[in-house]
Amino acid sequence: GESVGLHLPTLSVQEGDNSIINCAYSNSASDYFIWYKQESGKGPQFIIDIRSNMDKRQGQRVTVLLNKTVKHLSLQIAATQPGDSAVYFCAGNSQKLVFGQGTRLTINP
Amino acid sequence: DAGVIQSPRHEVTEMGQEVTLRCKPISGHNSLFWYRQTMMRGLELLIYFNNNVPIDDSGMPEDRFSAKMPNASFSTLKIQPSEPRDSAVYFCASSQSTGTGTYEQYFGPGTRLTVT
Repeated sequence: GESVGLHLPTLSVQEGDNSIINCAYSNSASDYFIWYKQESGKGPQFIIDIRSNMDKRQGQRVTVLLNKTVKHLSLQIAATQPGDSAVYFCAGNSQKLVFGQGTRLTINP
Repeated sequence: DAGVIQSPRHEVTEMGQEVTLRCKPISGHNSLFWYRQTMMRGLELLIYFNNNVPIDDSGMPEDRFSAKMPNASFSTLKIQPSEPRDSAVYFCASSQSTGTGTYEQYFGPGTRLTVT
């Protein structure tokens, strides 16, 4: 079956540094990928998405990169802030979204 | 916008009792999803509806779980009888889906269920 996973369950960065969160997927039919952010006690919140006909998409302080050759996508957060502390999920779409396990991002002051 | 509304936010019940979780999707969205989140298994899709019709219930763990969507603005997830292993946070999400797939989903705040 299809799967979407993340490389690391936790990531710790210094405030102000850039963060890179990685994700791998198995289903080549996925044509759409989303990154979600989940803060403690809340539901997942949409951050940014990318379609499979794109390699890169930029938002405010976030960039998503998609490498279809190796079935890998990443979320880059520039100048990481304390408010970025959360669990980050990638999700891929074929007929339904399949979520990865999540990476917990911790910001060190 | 009110967003996706879920009730109750917290539910504590005893094993064997019936539990009903409720969800009101965002107005205008035609797809609704029920997820369960635990530390061990992460975020799991239980069932989703498109235009009030169940499309995929392969994630429903067993017959004790059932979901309904009687109209476009309301859905329920019922567990009968409940068991301690059902303890989790249950999320409802909605989206505007097209014929080619499901895209951005908006999640509710979740219902934290504890079965003792």
